[in-house]
Order: sequence, then structure tokens, then C-alpha cells
Amino acid sequence: AQKITQTQPGMFVQEKEAVTLDCTYDTSDPSYGLFWYKQPSSGEMIFLIYQGSYDQQNATEGRYSLNFQKARKSANLVISASQLGDSAMYFCAMRAYDTGNQFYFGTGTSLTVIP
Amino acid sequence: NAGVTQTPKFQVLKTGQSMTLQCAQDMNHNSMYWYRQDPGMGLRLIYYSASEGTTDKGEVPNGYNVSRLNKREFSLRLESAAPSQTSVYFCASSGSPEGPLQSYEQYFGPGTRLTVT
Repeated sequence: AQKITQTQPGMFVQEKEAVTLDCTYDTSDPSYGLFWYKQPSSGEMIFLIYQGSYDQQNATEGRYSLNFQKARKSANLVISASQLGDSAMYFCAMRAYDTGNQFYFGTGTSLTVIP
Repeated sequence: NAGVTQTPKFQVLKTGQSMTLQCAQDMNHNSMYWYRQDPGMGLRLIYYSASEGTTDKGEVPNGYNVSRLNKREFSLRLESAAPSQTSVYFCASSGSPEGPLQSYEQYFGPGTRLTVT
């Protein structure tokens, strides 16, 4: 069975500081993808970053990077130089290719950036 | 290019009423999904359609039906609404990776906020 775990219901970070949001996953499929989405208070889901299970390097997209530790089955999101607009819910998700097209989501982490 | 559109944005139903949530995408994606989002529960998959003509149950399919009308459209029907179906409903679509080295993220619609009284 596929499973995504986010253990931090809420996080606070000072503006301009870096923050790490935790995500662990569980799958027996060797081929999978990991995704992070942002959901601001307006409600839309915004794709941030993707990491494939065969990727040798950690993914980066601007101020977002994904700290991928395959042996530990973790895919933490690192946001550098936090901005007030980063305050939102963040969801980790996984797609396992051998078991169809389903995406599995964690329960999310609420991030608040403090000025 | 509108992406994923959903109608309606808001809906209030009485217990026992029926309704259909509409979803359409213009990105030529094969796969489409319906999720519900409840506080503290993340997104839970109701149904998905890997390709036109196919549908599969997700984690929480009870009380719902779906129709993949064509490649663009995927509707969700509540036959007899219950208060437990009060939620925010998201439709999403994605391409289908042809192998493990490819991936396509999901694109989400704006959501439908449904209240059942």
C-alpha cells in the first residue's frame, strides 16, 4: 500500500529564514514520483516541485528544493528566504507508476511566516 | 487555455437532494480525478479515470458516481446527498507518464464548496 505522512500540522518561520517541511512515504514500487503542492487561503492547489525516484540529484525550483533521502523514504521540502506570501498549507504527494495513475496525498502542513 | 474548470463554485443542498459537479480540462490529459478535502484529512480520492472510457474507485467512493463523458469532461454525481458529504471538492487532471522516468503533475480546478444541511 502507498502512504504519505506529514507529521507537522503547523509550522512557524521568521520572514527571510529557511524552513523545512517534512514528508515521509511508503511504497514497494521502485518507480515513483514525489510532488509538493501549495494551497494558499484562497483555496487553489499550486504545484511546486517534483522528484523522481531515479533522479540522482535533489530537485530545485527557485526558492524551493526537495531534500530527497531515498533510503529513509523522506522527501522534505525546503523553502529558503521565506516570504509572507509563503504562508499556506503544503501537501506532499506521491505517484507510483506500477500501480496505476493514483496520487496519494499527506494531510498537509500549515506554514505561517512571521514578519 | 483555461486549464481545469469546475462548476459550480458553491452549492447548498438539503439532505436527500441530488446534484452533479462538472469538470472539464483543455490540456488533452488522459487522467482525471475527483477529490474531497476535509479539515485535517488532506485530499482523499473519490474516483479517477485513467483514460477516456475507464473509471476506478478511489479511497472514498461511497455515495458518489462518476462519468467520463469524453476526454475533456469528468463529472461527479451525488445521488442522495448526506451531511457527511459537506466538503470542498476538487477535480484534477494529469498526463500519463509512459515510463518511470517521466512524470506529470496534477493540475487542479478551483474547487466546489458543498454544504449539505
